[in-house]
Amino acid sequence: AQSVTQPDIHITVSEGASLELRCNYSYGATPYLFWYVQSPGQGLQLLLKYFSGDTLVQGIKGFEAEFKRSQSSFNLRKPSVHWSDAAEYFCAVAAGTSGTYKYIFGTGTRLKVLA
Amino acid sequence: GAGVSQSPSNKVTEKGKDVELRCDPISGHTALYWYRQSLGQGLEFLIYFQGNSAPDKSGLPSDRFSAERTGGSVSTLTIQRTQQEDSAVYLCASSPGLAGETFFGPGTRLTVL
Repeated sequence: AQSVTQPDIHITVSEGASLELRCNYSYGATPYLFWYVQSPGQGLQLLLKYFSGDTLVQGIKGFEAEFKRSQSSFNLRKPSVHWSDAAEYFCAVAAGTSGTYKYIFGTGTRLKVLA
Repeated sequence: GAGVSQSPSNKVTEKGKDVELRCDPISGHTALYWYRQSLGQGLEFLIYFQGNSAPDKSGLPSDRFSAERTGGSVSTLTIQRTQQEDSAVYLCASSPGLAGETFFGPGTRLTVL
């Protein structure tokens, strides 16, 4: 069965520090992978996605993620965190066939940023 | 509207009552999803509508939960005989059918007393 694991429930970093949020997936075929961010009181916003091609994908707000098939991972990174990045981050895999997909989400990682 | 809208934004109900949650997807989007987000949990898939195909109901937790999508647009999620464990934020999302271009609504926060 498809699944997504985000091993870190909470992460705290200082403003200006680098960030890496871990995501591992289980899926039999080539996955479609996503990172979403949910700010307090806000809806989910797509940060970036991977379908195929270049395994390093760039997203909004200075985020990037790297797909590593050998490790079944799709970790999210940012070189310098801003206080406004404090939010909850969800990794997801789209599972399905023939153009119909449902999204399997991880349990999320809550990011706290220290001033 | 420009995005996915959901109503009500908050719903408080008594245990045993029925509730209906509404989702207005982005116009033209053929795919519509319902998810549930409980405190400390991830997003739990509930149901998925894609065009005229039979919906994927594999995530509905019990037969108290049902959903319909009328005219390929508006969707209603109904929870009958609500229980306290049904308390959560219910999120709706829509997509034009291409994986990855999915937009989420703000959610309905359901509290069952």
